[in-house]
Amino acid sequence: NAGVTQTPKFRVLKTGQSMTLLCAQDMNHEYMYWYRQDPGMGLRLIHYSVGEGTTAKGEVPDGYNVSRLKKQNFLLGLESAAPSQTSVYFCASSSPGRGYNEQFFGPGTRLTVL
Amino acid sequence: ILNVEQSPQSLHVQEGDSTNFTCSFPSSNFYALHWYRWETAKSPEALFVMTLNGDEKKKGRISATLNTKEGYSYLYIKGSQPEDSATYLCASNTGTASKLTFGTGTRLQVTL
Repeated sequence: NAGVTQTPKFRVLKTGQSMTLLCAQDMNHEYMYWYRQDPGMGLRLIHYSVGEGTTAKGEVPDGYNVSRLKKQNFLLGLESAAPSQTSVYFCASSSPGRGYNEQFFGPGTRLTVL
Repeated sequence: ILNVEQSPQSLHVQEGDSTNFTCSFPSSNFYALHWYRWETAKSPEALFVMTLNGDEKKKGRISATLNTKEGYSYLYIKGSQPEDSATYLCASNTGTASKLTFGTGTRLQVTL
């Protein structure tokens, strides 16, 4: 099993450009999450999904959109990137019936917006 | 306490020292408390999940305790080794099972 994978690993964007980050999991998990990690801020939840076709806002959703068209994939979109979105993005997944929502993380995507 | 808070922010110990960190979390509507270990350039990995007041979990030299009434958890490392160097995150899914609120972590550095 690959677990949770993220594509791409690194990306540099110019202000105003758009991009999509892909998260995939092969553990048949119901729940999926997108976090951003900034120095001194810990992990902050951007959006999450509790099932295929459903999404919800987290703590810092502004400037991002998400889609969960397939159970195994969770996409994070930046429509018009801003320098404030420079961060490391982590995807995670979990199963509601396992370990009180123990989350499994992907390797992260380092995004720089110039 | 409205957020999950961890202290200290960072810690530098020598090999063989024992150490401990604190995680504070909202005690109302408590569901579970998680500890994760996060090595540099890797992704967080789960260490423990605890749900009951007075719970104590152990994995090798690392152990954790839980007090849900007062809203805190301690993580202990006995005889620290350089390979213990990492950031230790705690997270609570107080109030809702589907989301975790993470603390900012305690960064541990163990030197020879």
